[in-house]
Amino acid sequence: EVLLVASGGGLIQPGGSLRLSCTTSGFTFSNYAMTWVRQAPGKGLEWVAVIGGSPGITYYADSVKGRFTISRDNSKNTLYLQMNSLRADDTAMYSCAKLSGFGVVAQGFDIWGQGTMVTVSS
Amino acid sequence: QSALTQEASVSGTVGQKVTLSCTGNSNNIGNYAVGWYQQISHGAPKAVMFGNSLPSDIPDRFSGSKSGTTASLTISGLQAEDEADYYCSTWDKSLSGWVFGGGTKLTVL
Repeated sequence: EVLLVASGGGLIQPGGSLRLSCTTSGFTFSNYAMTWVRQAPGKGLEWVAVIGGSPGITYYADSVKGRFTISRDNSKNTLYLQMNSLRADDTAMYSCAKLSGFGVVAQGFDIWGQGTMVTVSS
Repeated sequence: QSALTQEASVSGTVGQKVTLSCTGNSNNIGNYAVGWYQQISHGAPKAVMFGNSLPSDIPDRFSGSKSGTTASLTISGLQAEDEADYYCSTWDKSLSGWVFGGGTKLTVL
């Protein structure tokens, strides 16, 4: 069974940092691109960042560019999202998802994990 | 404002066929595969269609199509358990990133 489990969320003050993790199992992690998607309370889905099967290729939404960094450790089957300079509008449920292929441009996100909530507030 | 445009809400009765649409442009839908995601009561999204692929655990009453810069998700034989929010998504080459539609709330009457 393919599983994605996000963790690391919590309450953080504006300007602070958090690192989210997405531990995976049930598939060959290094063969697939991975992504983070977030959903603010009462809002729709917003794509955050994507990383290819090899760690070198990454893309970010304009709203997080320069503040967030997506990375992966293929030896640990784990995806990360380092979030710096957090703002109130970063408050959301953050979910990781597996792409259907190795590259960052694929058919879609075929498996999603449960999210981890990030609340940015003083 | 979302890069992809979806109906805010669609409704249908049990057994009916409904079609949800997702409109983009040549930078996104016109050139890339579209994924559709079901979200029930703000739980984890679930893929119901991506590209031409129907996930193995999704019933074949779900089908997808694309014409030009508009993609569609059709549910034939609507069931009560299909009531959910549905989002479309694809790659956008001008933004160099993935984009989502604003979501359609499907109500089963």
